[in-house]
Amino acid sequence: GEDVEQSLFLSVREGDSSVINCTYTDSSSTYLYWYKQEPGAGLQLLTYIFSNMDMKQDQRLTVLLNKKDKHLSLRIADTQTGDSAIYFCAVSRGNYGQNFVFGPGTRLSVLP
Amino acid sequence: DVKVTQSSRYLVKRTGEKVFLECVQDMDHENMFWYRQDPGLGLRLIYFSYDVKMKEKGDIPEGYSVSREKKERFSLILESASTNQTSMYLCASRGYQGDTGELFFGEGSRLTVL
Repeated sequence: GEDVEQSLFLSVREGDSSVINCTYTDSSSTYLYWYKQEPGAGLQLLTYIFSNMDMKQDQRLTVLLNKKDKHLSLRIADTQTGDSAIYFCAVSRGNYGQNFVFGPGTRLSVLP
Repeated sequence: DVKVTQSSRYLVKRTGEKVFLECVQDMDHENMFWYRQDPGLGLRLIYFSYDVKMKEKGDIPEGYSVSREKKERFSLILESASTNQTSMYLCASRGYQGDTGELFFGEGSRLTVL
């Protein structure tokens, strides 16, 4: 089955850029997502990218997709303390059923 | 604003007790899911439902059952709670409409089994 991998921890200084990486195994994944989970809360969709795109930019967020290497990254520019959270990479082959696979999550710590 | 509501944010139960976790969504979504979240393991799918009275096992269904009597409500049942079921439980829903296919999550229910 599909496997999604992420490093578990990342620390950056406030104002620096953060880059969170994700690799996946199923090349037929058509939707790729980044979710954010703040302490004690559920997951909220941060951004997403379709598999026919290479890059998507949304304010401080940049998503890069390398389909050949099955690699997805999330870059947060000018990282703030409010960005401290767990970031989950997730992939899906479509919007039907349960074919939604999450990575283990990367805990981002932003140091002042 | 779309909403998935989980009935209990925090529960403490004793081993052997029956536990009900309720989830309600107001988006008229067909698909609803129960995940459990443990540190370092990410989210693991317990059960999902694609229609009223329909259910499918996920990756870790053992020790759990579910009920979907109405479209908006999906319940997770632990018939006899055990300490290894101490975890954060997340409910989610997803519709067939729209172009993102995203899951909408509730705030989570943190269950402690003593």
